[in-house]
Amino acid sequence: AQSVTQLGSHVSVSEGALVLLRCNYSSSVPPYLFWYVQYPNQGLQLLLKYTSAATLVKGINGFEAEFKKSETSFHLTKPSAHMSDAAEYFCAVSDWYGNEKLTFGTGTRLTIIP
Amino acid sequence: GAGVSQSPRYKVAKRGQDVALRCDPISGHVSLFWYQQALGQGPEFLTYFQNEAQLDKSGLPSDRFFAERPEGSVSTLKIQRTQQEDSAVYLCASSSREMTVFPATNEKLFFGSGTQLSVL
Repeated sequence: AQSVTQLGSHVSVSEGALVLLRCNYSSSVPPYLFWYVQYPNQGLQLLLKYTSAATLVKGINGFEAEFKKSETSFHLTKPSAHMSDAAEYFCAVSDWYGNEKLTFGTGTRLTIIP
Repeated sequence: GAGVSQSPRYKVAKRGQDVALRCDPISGHVSLFWYQQALGQGPEFLTYFQNEAQLDKSGLPSDRFFAERPEGSVSTLKIQRTQQEDSAVYLCASSSREMTVFPATNEKLFFGSGTQLSVL
């Protein structure tokens, strides 16, 4: 069975600082991995997804994530945090070969300090 | 429509009541998913429809949960005899991709804002 673990339920960074949200996965098949963002009272929005085409995946709003098989990690980064990045972020893994039956992590709440 | 629409936005039920939650997916989307998100947790898969066919209901927590999509568009999630542990946000999502098609393409999964169910 597939699973993901998000390290740190709350992360605070200063505006303009590096954002690093951690995600480790466990999968019995080559994984498809996702990062979603959830703003208050809004639905989940896809930031980016890894589909084995390239290990460094670029997403929307300046976010990117790197797939590292040796570390079973898929950490999300952004070079410079913006106030609008404050939200809940979820890492997820697909059931098999890219379908949308996703297993989500418990989420990381990102707070931006002015 | 412009996005996935869910109604009601909030639902308060007394324990033992039946509730029905509605999802209007994006027009033309063949795939529809229901997820349950408990407070402080990530969403958990409940069930999947491809058009009107319910292909996967492995995530439904009990036989009190029932979902349907009779005409392949609007879907309803029904919970009978609600219990306090049913309190959660219920998310609906749709996609233009059939889940059984390989390999995965670049279609995205679009989520609604959810229905927050509180069982008292």
